[in-house]
Amino acid sequence: GDSVTQMEGPVTLSEEAFLTINCTYTATGYPSLFWYVQYPGEGLQLLLKATKADDKGSNKGFEATYRKETTSFHLEKGSVQVSDSAVYFCALSDLRGSTLGRLYFGRGTQLTVWP
Amino acid sequence: SAVISQKPSRDICQRGTSLTIQCQVDSQVTMMFWYRQQPGQSLTLIATANQGSEATYESGFVIDKFPISRPNLTFSTLTVSNMSPEDSSIYLCSVSRGRDQPQHFGDGTRLSIL
Repeated sequence: GDSVTQMEGPVTLSEEAFLTINCTYTATGYPSLFWYVQYPGEGLQLLLKATKADDKGSNKGFEATYRKETTSFHLEKGSVQVSDSAVYFCALSDLRGSTLGRLYFGRGTQLTVWP
Repeated sequence: SAVISQKPSRDICQRGTSLTIQCQVDSQVTMMFWYRQQPGQSLTLIATANQGSEATYESGFVIDKFPISRPNLTFSTLTVSNMSPEDSSIYLCSVSRGRDQPQHFGDGTRLSIL
């Protein structure tokens, strides 16, 4: 079945450091891929998305490229800020599954950025 | 994106009682979902709320425990019935304008059962 494997955390970085959070997926169809962010005490916010191979999603300095050959969608940011501290979830939506549009989530990666 | 209002934002309940969570969207949406996020865990889909018909439940979730209503295209409720401490979680509503559109989430309901 469909699944998402996400880099385990927690990840602790200094401000202005480079961030990579790895995400790989397994899907039988043609998934859309997403990164969501959850700030403390809040719900999930869509950070970026990609709907087909080689698409690059970007938002707020974050980027992720849909790599079909490696079944990956790694999240990157060149210079993190304290305000980026949150939990990041990789997710896929398989449009051919029995529950159309449902999301499969990775376990989440806690990011803490120190000043 | 749609504005999603989820109520209550948090509650503390006694075991054996039931709580109904509301999800209101400011515009019509095609799809509405309910997720559970147990402490320190990822999100698990409970069910898809279908407008005008019974919800579609995922494996491990049953209607008697988590009855869901969706009377129209902007509103849904999830009831957590006969609660036990194991039901302590964050419950999140999400909406989508179509199966090829991204889902957007409410802020969640933080539920603790004593």
